[in-house]
Amino acid sequence: GAGVSQTPSNKVTEKGKYVELRCDPISGHTALYWYRQSLGQGPEFLIYFQGTGAADDSGLPNDRFFAVRPEGSVSTLKIQRTERGDSAVYLCASRLDRTYEQYFGPGTRLTVT
Amino acid sequence: ELKVEQNPLFLSMQEGKNYTIYCNYSTTSDRLYWYRQDPGKSLESLFVLLSNGAVKQEGRLMASLDTKARLSTLHITAAVHDLSATYFCAVARRTAGNKLTFGGGTRVLVKP
Repeated sequence: GAGVSQTPSNKVTEKGKYVELRCDPISGHTALYWYRQSLGQGPEFLIYFQGTGAADDSGLPNDRFFAVRPEGSVSTLKIQRTERGDSAVYLCASRLDRTYEQYFGPGTRLTVT
Repeated sequence: ELKVEQNPLFLSMQEGKNYTIYCNYSTTSDRLYWYRQDPGKSLESLFVLLSNGAVKQEGRLMASLDTKARLSTLHITAAVHDLSATYFCAVARRTAGNKLTFGGGTRVLVKP
C-alpha cells in the first residue's frame, strides 16, 4: 500500500516568507509526527498529533511554527516569517494506534535564502 | 530531559571486518529503535527492541539492548560496501506519546 507522502519534496523560499509543508500519512494511522533534521544531525521532534488534536507540541521552536490536522488525516506544518536557520529537512511519520512502528515519509527539504 | 548519545560519530570500515556502534540513553525508555539513512533519503527502520536482553538480527546486522545499562549496540559482521550509510538510534516512551528522541548518528563508510 501507499506509504507516507510529503509535498513538496523541495522548497526554496526567501527570508521572511510564509511556507506550508504537507504530510499525507498512511491511511488509518491515527498518530502523526513532525520532525526536523538539520544537516549532519539526527531528527528532532516538533509536534505529535493523535487524531485531530496536537497531543504534544513541545518541540516547536517558537510561535512562528504551527501545525494542523483538521480531519485527522493530512497534516500541514506552517512556518511564518521564515529565517535562514529554519533551513532543514522536515520529516513526517505516522503510526497505527496501539503499535510502536513509525513510518517516515521522504521529507521536505526547506531552504531559506 | 532524555538524551541519546551515539559513538563513534564516524566509522571507516574495511570490508570483511566486524564493528560495533554504541547507543547510550539517559533515562528509562520503553523501546529502542535503529534506523538507517542513505544520503538524501528518509529513514529506514532496521530494528525495534522492546525489552532488556532483546537481540535482533537481520543479515550482517545485529542489535541488542541492555536496559539496566541504558545501552544498545549495533554490531556489523563482515562489513560490505552496501552497508555504507548513516545509522541512528532512537528511544521512545509510551507516556510521551511514543515520540522519538534520536542520537546524533554514526556515519559509516565501508572501504574495499
